[in-house]
Amino acid sequence: GENVEQHPSTLSVQEGDSAVIKCTYSDSASNYFPWYKQELGKGPQLIIDIRSNVGEKKDQRIAVTLNKTAKHFSLHITETQPEDSAVYFCAASNPQGGSEKLVFGKGTKLTVNP
Amino acid sequence: DSGVTQTPKHLITATGQRVTLRCSPRSGDLSVYWYQQSLDQGLQFLIQYYNGEERAKGNILERFSAQQFPDLHSELNLSSLELGDSALYFCASSVGSGETQYFGPGTRLLVL
Repeated sequence: GENVEQHPSTLSVQEGDSAVIKCTYSDSASNYFPWYKQELGKGPQLIIDIRSNVGEKKDQRIAVTLNKTAKHFSLHITETQPEDSAVYFCAASNPQGGSEKLVFGKGTKLTVNP
Repeated sequence: DSGVTQTPKHLITATGQRVTLRCSPRSGDLSVYWYQQSLDQGLQFLIQYYNGEERAKGNILERFSAQQFPDLHSELNLSSLELGDSALYFCASSVGSGETQYFGPGTRLLVL
């Protein structure tokens, strides 16, 4: 089955710097890759997602890139702010494969220092 | 606020007991997913329902069961509880197959 690896597990940056989180997946049939942000005591919140027919997607300070050949995708956050501090999860799924379950990475705890 | 509601927020119970977690999906969403989040296993898919029918199963224990009712709300039943079942349980919903999943605030279960 699908396996998603996420790195790094912790990331500390200064306010205004960029943050990059990387994920690799094992199932070449996966074609949907969402990113979730989870704040303490809350449920995961979708921040951006990408499907396999595009290589990059951007939404203001957040961007995701996908390399299907290498089976990896990355989250880029520019001009980080203290409120970006949270745990970020990548996930992968193959909705056309009969199961829309999300397989998650282990998470990255991002700390943005003022 | 994702529009997905879960009750209760917290649940404390003893080993061997049975509990029921409830989820109401976003208005119009037909799919409901259940996930378990623990420190050692991370976020793990348990089961999915679509318009009342079971759609997919993950690593869900035989002691756990779920159902989706005609009004589309869902319940996750956990029985013969063990200490290791202590975790956060999340419900997510989506409009249909392969669409974005929106997560609820979760139920924190503590088994003593």
